[in-house]
Amino acid sequence: ETGVTQSPTHLIKTRGQQVTLRCSSQSGHNTVSWYQQALGQGPQFIFQYYREEENGRGNFPPRFSGLQFPNYSSELNVNALELDDSALYLCASSVRGEAGELFFGEGSRLTVL
Amino acid sequence: RKEVEQDPGPFNVPEGATVAFNCTYSNSASQSFFWYRQDCRKEPKLLMSVYSSGNEDGRFTAQLNRASQYISLLIRDSKLSDSATYLCVSSEVGTYKYIFGTGTRLKVLA
Repeated sequence: ETGVTQSPTHLIKTRGQQVTLRCSSQSGHNTVSWYQQALGQGPQFIFQYYREEENGRGNFPPRFSGLQFPNYSSELNVNALELDDSALYLCASSVRGEAGELFFGEGSRLTVL
Repeated sequence: RKEVEQDPGPFNVPEGATVAFNCTYSNSASQSFFWYRQDCRKEPKLLMSVYSSGNEDGRFTAQLNRASQYISLLIRDSKLSDSATYLCVSSEVGTYKYIFGTGTRLKVLA
């Protein structure tokens, strides 16, 4: 196991609602990235956090936002949920400056009805 | 055009077979490359990094061709446990964004 934990593991929301997903990074890692993985697709980069600031963002609208806390844990918030937001949301922790392995959590599977 | 492209498969091969996957990338500024493995309904895990000179890890060999902008993964002596989706990943120097392909599904048959 990677030591990256995510919660909740599964959740169901309806269109227009808001959701918060949580991630605890692996010990010693200072960077957290969030990815969205739709069925049959590869993970798509949402954004990355380092030192509690957003550091790089993919092609996602502003209703996707995040936070990183002093203990390096992180949250992903999605407002005004749309049906297409249904996906597996993966958190990955890493050490900034090391272009190496991303350690993923098991993900939060979101279904929007 | 996607930044990292892979044949989605599935590749169905018998145990013991050799199978190769290719992946192409469009961003010439990409510097780091990886293969990740993802089992059904699980998270991706690093299989191996890909180095310019090519590298091997047991039954797995990865190659990088910068001129043609493609990466390959060769699996020899396939095992049932190799059945998974293999994700090709690139990263550009100075960014922390990893670009994943859609993945190639492999099914090793008994």
